[in-house]
Amino acid sequence: GIQVEQSPPDLILQEGANSTLRCNFSDSVNNLQWFHQNPWGQLINLFYIPSGTKQNGRLSATTVATERYSLLYISSSQTTDSGVYFCAVPNQGGKLIFGQGTELSVKP
Amino acid sequence: GAVVSQHPSRVICKSGTSVKIECRSLDFQATTMFWYRQFPKQSLMLMATSNEGSKATYEQGVEKDKFLINHASLTLSTLTVTSAHPEDSSFYICSAPSAGGGETQYFGPGTRLLVL
Repeated sequence: GIQVEQSPPDLILQEGANSTLRCNFSDSVNNLQWFHQNPWGQLINLFYIPSGTKQNGRLSATTVATERYSLLYISSSQTTDSGVYFCAVPNQGGKLIFGQGTELSVKP
Repeated sequence: GAVVSQHPSRVICKSGTSVKIECRSLDFQATTMFWYRQFPKQSLMLMATSNEGSKATYEQGVEKDKFLINHASLTLSTLTVTSAHPEDSSFYICSAPSAGGGETQYFGPGTRLLVL
């Protein structure tokens, strides 16, 4: 089945810093989502981005489907950005397969 | 955006008891819902797909007799953990695709289960 790998597994930033999170996937996909799981466990949809680039405030994402990767950019990070960031892609049956996540900690 | 709720948010039970978790789509109908389990410091693992009007389909390795799923209506799916044991302690999350069978999934806030 499709494999999803995220890097780095952990990231510690000082408030105000920028960061890039990466998601590699092993097969062609027609859908990719980025989520933020806050410290209380709630998964928040960030982007639905099968290809191209999208921006939402301080966050932006780019998916290069032909090269099987996606990047999530966080600029001017804030402490509220802390949590785990997951990317997920559908397998052949349409079920979402999650990467292992990147745990981000933003220090004041 | 679409809203999915779960109840309860947290439950502590004794070993051997059964626990029911509800997942509701609040502002849209969902013929399909998904149940995930997440252990500490790990990713989400799909357990089963809940189908309105038909039986749930379970992922490999998930015991269907232990994790009973009922999709009672177009807005409600329930997961019952039967005869819970400490190893069932986990964070259970449901999701539903956006209206019209869209490819975006919306997740509930999760239920933390602790079995003593």
